[in-house]
Amino acid sequence: AQRVTQPEKLLSVFKGAPVELKCNYSYSGSPELFWYVQYSRQRLQLLLRHISRESIKGFTADLNKGETSFHLKKPFAQEEDSAMYYCALSGTGNQFYFGTGTSLTVIP
Amino acid sequence: DAGITQSPRHKVTETGTPVTLRCHQTENHRYMYWYRQDPGHGLRLIHYSYGVKDTDKGEVSDGYSVSRSKTEDFLLTLESATSSQTSVYFCAISVRDRGFVGPSYEQYFGPGTRLTVT
Repeated sequence: AQRVTQPEKLLSVFKGAPVELKCNYSYSGSPELFWYVQYSRQRLQLLLRHISRESIKGFTADLNKGETSFHLKKPFAQEEDSAMYYCALSGTGNQFYFGTGTSLTVIP
Repeated sequence: DAGITQSPRHKVTETGTPVTLRCHQTENHRYMYWYRQDPGHGLRLIHYSYGVKDTDKGEVSDGYSVSRSKTEDFLLTLESATSSQTSVYFCAISVRDRGFVGPSYEQYFGPGTRLTVT
């Protein structure tokens, strides 16, 4: 069965410190993985996707098929990074599966 | 925002009353979704649609029904609202991204509807 696991509900880091938000998935085929971000009381928006291999707002994420992980990383956290982050998986049938989210707080 | 709007944006209703939430899109996308967002549960799929009059159940469909009589509108109805349905409801569409080899889709979300059932 498809599943996305984000083990940390809450994560706090100091400004300028590295941050890593964990995401593990289970899927029998070849999924697409995404990170979505939701700033306070705003709609969710796409942050990045694994197939684009981009760095958005300093964030990167590498798909590790062996560990079935897609962790989100940023070397130096900024206050404006404080938000809710969701890892998501897209499989066949145009369905998306979301993790439970990690609330990131960057402490000034 | 891919032209997605939701109405109402906020609603307070009493237990047992019917409630209908509307999602409207302006770009003729085929796939539309309804999610609910709850602390500790993240986003959970309620129902989705892959075309006019074509809908299917998601993970948490009990107590909800949907209708899609036009491409641009996807309605979510709570037949008899309960307090457990207090939540933030997000509509989404799925857009094919032509920038990649092979089919690749991305979801765009509406602004959300905050529903409180008292």
